[in-house]
Amino acid sequence: GQNIDQPTEMTATEGAIVQINCTYQTSGFNGLFWYQQHAGEAPTFLSYNVLDGLEEKGRFSSFLSRSKGYSYLLLKELQMKDSASYLCAVKDSNYQLIWGAGTKLIIKP
Amino acid sequence: EAQVTQNPRYLITVTGKKLTVTCSQNMNHEYMSWYRQDPGLGLRQIYYSMNVEVTDKGDVPEGYKVSRKEKRNFPLILESPSPNQTSLYFCASSPGTGDTSFEQYFGPGTRLTVT
Repeated sequence: GQNIDQPTEMTATEGAIVQINCTYQTSGFNGLFWYQQHAGEAPTFLSYNVLDGLEEKGRFSSFLSRSKGYSYLLLKELQMKDSASYLCAVKDSNYQLIWGAGTKLIIKP
Repeated sequence: EAQVTQNPRYLITVTGKKLTVTCSQNMNHEYMSWYRQDPGLGLRQIYYSMNVEVTDKGDVPEGYKVSRKEKRNFPLILESPSPNQTSLYFCASSPGTGDTSFEQYFGPGTRLTVT
């Protein structure tokens, strides 16, 4: 079966750095997405990786290793507004998105 | 403004009373999808549509129907709702599958409670 694993919850301090990991086992691979979802709101797109390596976008970076079935989202200079759930999703061989359950990130002052 | 809209945003209904949740996008997207989101389970796909008149089952299609008569609209129909369909529902769209980098744009969500 297809499976995506993320930690359920993480806590970090305002101004610090946090890394959210995602491991996947899917039928084929056509890219990995990270989305941010604030409580009760819709997910919004953060990043896309299809090749190995690091993609940087401001305070957010996303890394992919296809051979290890592994990705992480790195958030720097954490702000209170970064408190949200972070969803990892993989596009499989049928171009359908397989979603992880999400990681709830709690930022403390 | 480019967006995906859903109606209603909140709905409380009773078991067995047919309901429809509408979804519309104004971005001329080919691909549309319905998800439900339950605590601890993440997003699970109900149905998706690659284009007009083309629909396919997702992971949890039982108890749901969809149609895609026009490109912009993709309504979700619950013919006989049951309490286990109480959930947060999201409609999403994307330009298509030709480019794997196309992300999905989500509607604001519909919180459905079936008593």
